[in-house]
Amino acid sequence: GEDVEQSLFLSVREGDSSVINCTYTDSSSTYLYWYKQEPGAGLQLLTYIFSNMDMKQDQRLTVLLNKKDKHLSLRIADTQTGDSAIYFCAETRWQTGANNLFFGTGTRLTVIP
Amino acid sequence: DGGITQSPKYLFRKEGQNVTLSCEQNLNHDAMYWYRQDPGQGLRLIYYSQIVNDFQKGDIAEGYSVSREKKESFPLTVTSAQKNPTAFYLCASIGDRGGDGPQHFGDGTRLSIL
Repeated sequence: GEDVEQSLFLSVREGDSSVINCTYTDSSSTYLYWYKQEPGAGLQLLTYIFSNMDMKQDQRLTVLLNKKDKHLSLRIADTQTGDSAIYFCAETRWQTGANNLFFGTGTRLTVIP
Repeated sequence: DGGITQSPKYLFRKEGQNVTLSCEQNLNHDAMYWYRQDPGQGLRLIYYSQIVNDFQKGDIAEGYSVSREKKESFPLTVTSAQKNPTAFYLCASIGDRGGDGPQHFGDGTRLSIL
């Protein structure tokens, strides 16, 4: 299909690791992104990975990219209550003269104290 | 500080009325975007502009209009032709025209019907 797919919900206990998965569609996407949205706010860029990389680590965040399966994941180590939010993955697609972003449905992460 | 400012934060529309959502950026970015967000759905692209005085329709442009008279401003008008306008609207920009890189987002405008 043409949709970027994510699970809608994920619950984890504080201190555990969270893994949010995403399946994207465009194998020619140059970059793949993870954004975080807190209630009533805009989207905050968390991290991104260039398509020729398999993994990127940034403090508590680890991004894994499997280009063969078009699968992207975001691992949050030592999850905290402040990590509760909606997480969106996004891919780039060429559309009428521009590389535009296409977003998944978002995964709502709930961290249980 | 540089950033994207959307106003108002909340907006109410009466039947048959056009309303305009403001988006201003002081990042000196070329490209600007408008998205609509509905509950349980991702962001859907309404319009985008790569350069002043030029803009393109996104996936759900019907019932909306935009202008790009200045680099820093990209207002969105929700017209009376948009029959289901209740949503959260997000504006974004990117420095690189042709756009390969992360987009920066404003804090959004929530539009409701009276």
